[in-house]
Amino acid sequence: GQNIDQPTEMTATEGAIVQINCTYQTSGFNGLFWYQQHAGEAPTFLSYNVLDGLEEKGRFSSFLSRSKGYSYLLLKELQMKDSASYLCAVLDSNYQLIWGAGTKLIIKP
Amino acid sequence: GAVVSQHPSWVICKSGTSVKIECRSLDFQATTMFWYRQFPKQSLMLMATSNEGSKATYEQGVEKDKFLINHASLTLSTLTVTSAHPEDSSFYICSARPGGENSPLHFGNGTRLTVT
Repeated sequence: GQNIDQPTEMTATEGAIVQINCTYQTSGFNGLFWYQQHAGEAPTFLSYNVLDGLEEKGRFSSFLSRSKGYSYLLLKELQMKDSASYLCAVLDSNYQLIWGAGTKLIIKP
Repeated sequence: GAVVSQHPSWVICKSGTSVKIECRSLDFQATTMFWYRQFPKQSLMLMATSNEGSKATYEQGVEKDKFLINHASLTLSTLTVTSAHPEDSSFYICSARPGGENSPLHFGNGTRLTVT
């Protein structure tokens, strides 16, 4: 079966750095997405990785290793508004999106 | 950027009635739209894929006669929850891709349905 694993919940301090991991086992791979979802709102797109390596976009970076079936989202200089759920999703060989359960990130002052 | 508009944002209805949710792509054409459902503290669950001009494709376990989908134009898809029951109370979100198959999904703001 297809599976995506990410931690259920993480806590970090304002101004610090946090890394949210995602591992996947899917039927084929056509890219990995990270989305941010605030409570009661729809997800918003953060990043897309299809090749190995690090993609940096401001305070957020996303890394992919296809051979390890592994990705992480790195958030720097954490702000209170970064408190949200972070969803990892993989596009399989049929271009179907497989979603992780999400990681709830709690930022403390 | 690509915008997906969903209406209404929230709706409360009585058990046994039907509710229609609209999803529009405002600045791009979408031959395919995706309807998701999300229960509290759970991840997104794909309900169905809406195809312009043809029948929707439903995921396993989703009743097509209960969740009617119509995709009459390249910018509008509707989801109608028929004969709603309290267990249908959930957060319904539509989405579409403005680009190719590996482009990111853009989501509407979601509809919070409460059935009393």
